[in-house]
Parts: sequence; structure tokens; C-alpha cells
Amino acid sequence: GENVEQHPSTLSVQEGDSAVIKCTYSDSASNYFPWYKQELGKRPQLIIDIRSNVGEKKDQRIAVTLNKTAKHFSLHITETQPEDSAVYFCAASIRREAAGNKLTFGGGTRVLVKP
Amino acid sequence: EAGVAQSPRYKIIEKRQSVAFWCNPISGHATLYWYQQILGQGPKLLIQFQNNGVVDDSQLPKDRFSAERLKGVDSTLKIQPAKLEDSAVYLCASSLERSGGANEQFFGPGTRLTVL
Repeated sequence: GENVEQHPSTLSVQEGDSAVIKCTYSDSASNYFPWYKQELGKRPQLIIDIRSNVGEKKDQRIAVTLNKTAKHFSLHITETQPEDSAVYFCAASIRREAAGNKLTFGGGTRVLVKP
Repeated sequence: EAGVAQSPRYKIIEKRQSVAFWCNPISGHATLYWYQQILGQGPKLLIQFQNNGVVDDSQLPKDRFSAERLKGVDSTLKIQPAKLEDSAVYLCASSLERSGGANEQFFGPGTRLTVL
């Protein structure tokens, strides 16, 4: 089955700096890669996702890049703010039309933005 | 729109006892997922339903875990008997499977289970 590795496990940055989280996956058939943000004691929430036919996607201060050949994808957060502090999870799946996504999650990255 | 509802929010039991969790997905969402999230780890899929049929239960420990989604709406997840290693947050998620759509999974608040 799919295996997703995520690094680093913790990341501390100064407010205003950039944060980068990297993930690798094992199943070359995976074609859908979402990123979730989970604040302490709360539910995971989707912040951005990318499909395998796209190399990069951006939404305001967050961006995701995908390298299918190397089987890795990354999350980039620019101009970090204290409210970006949370645990971020990457995931990979084979997206099946009208049949859902079986997501395999990485182990998570705890991001701390210091004011 | 209302989100995914789960109950109870917290449950403490002793090992070998039984426990059940309930999930009500977002109205109209055909696909329902149960995940187990152990402290400090990412969620792990236990079972996926499409309407009232099971799509994937390959990671469900079937000797002690069971789940059903009668009528294709609400779902219950049961553990019988519980073990210490079952202590985790159990997350329910649902998605609207629309052709060409984003098919985002929306998560509920979770049930935090502690097995003593």
C-alpha cells in the first residue's frame, strides 16, 4: 500500500519568514495530494490540494509543488503569521471518480511561528 | 451548511469493555470515512463507505472493530473488546462525490477515546 513520509516533524520559524514542509510517497499511481492543517484539539481542515496533472498551485500565502518523477511534494508558507502555528499533514491518494479518496497521511509537522 | 457531527466527544473505558461512536455526515454526502488518529500521528483510514456499502476496510482490525452505515446516512463504529492501544481520537469525515468536483473530505470534531 501507499506510504507517505513527512519532514521535518517540527519546524520553528520567525514571524514573516517562510516555512517549507516536504513529503514523499511510494505509490506512483497516486494522483491527488491534499494538505491539512490541524490546530490543537480541533479537526483537520483542508488548506490546499494538488492533482498529478499540475506541477504547482498557489493560494495567497500558501503554495504546493509536486514532482511526480521523484514522488515528492512540498508545502510552502510565505510571510508566516502566529495563526499559522499548527500541525500540518500531507496526504496522498489515488482519486477514483465518484468513489472517494483513500487518503494515506504523513506523520505531521508541528509548525511554531514565533512573534 | 452544518458540518460533520460526532458523539460522544470524549469517552473513557476500561480495557475489555465495549464502546460505540456515532457519526452524522454532511447532508447529501455519499462517502463516509472513519479514521483513527493516535497522539502525535497522522489519521489512519479504518473504513470507507460509499452510500451504505463498504469501499475499503483493509485497515480495520475486524476481530474487534466493526462499523455500519445503515440507510447510507449515519454511521456507527464499535470496538469490542477495547485494548489499551485503541486509545486515540476517532475522526469521521464525509465527502460529496461529484464528477469533476473537488471531493474534499470534511472532518468531524472527533471522539477522544481513553482506554485504561
